[in-house]
Amino acid sequence: QVQLVQSGAEVKKPGASVKVSCKASGYTFTGYYLHWVRQAPGQGLEWMGWINPYSGDTNYAQKLQGRVTMTRDTSISTANMELNRLKSDDTAVYYCARSREGASLSLGYWGQGTLVTVSS
Amino acid sequence: DIQMTQSPSSLSASVGDRVTITCRASQSISTYLIWYHQKPGKAPKLLIYGASSLQGGVPSRFSGGGSGTDFTLTISSLQPEDFATYYCQQSYSNPITFGQGTRLEIK
Repeated sequence: QVQLVQSGAEVKKPGASVKVSCKASGYTFTGYYLHWVRQAPGQGLEWMGWINPYSGDTNYAQKLQGRVTMTRDTSISTANMELNRLKSDDTAVYYCARSREGASLSLGYWGQGTLVTVSS
Repeated sequence: DIQMTQSPSSLSASVGDRVTITCRASQSISTYLIWYHQKPGKAPKLLIYGASSLQGGVPSRFSGGGSGTDFTLTISSLQPEDFATYYCQQSYSNPITFGQGTRLEIK
């Protein structure tokens, strides 16, 4: 079965960077886009971008351009999301999500989420 | 970017009730509309794709409709496990955008 297992919670200071990983199993890693979505405490869902694990192509939300980098390591079926120059309003749960079959912008499977807390 | 607007923002209902949540897109998205629900502390779960197709394993009391700019999610007979927050999302074009969510609470 499809599983996405994310790395553990992080506490960072403003201005620092954070890297969250997402290990995929149960399917062909290079066959489906991986998206990152975040959710600030008590708030809605915010799409951050996607990576095509086959080609490495990425597409980022304009709001995060220049601060976010999405990468993948196909040898270990893992996608990573790095966010730089952290601010307090980056405090959120960060999710990776795999696209649904035949629909690259539809999020069929989700990781468990990683809480990133930015605090001085 | 395509803006997605849900209504209502919150809704109180009882077990057994029929409820409908609406989602409006700022431009036509054909039927590229997804519905998710999310329980506290959990990741969202896909319920409906293509505006009206039920994801595998989702109970048939859930149904979706609409096309173009106006969409609905209907739960025909609320069950205790349905009390959650519901989100719509357009999958028509980049960037993906979500509605602000509808919180469904027990009356």
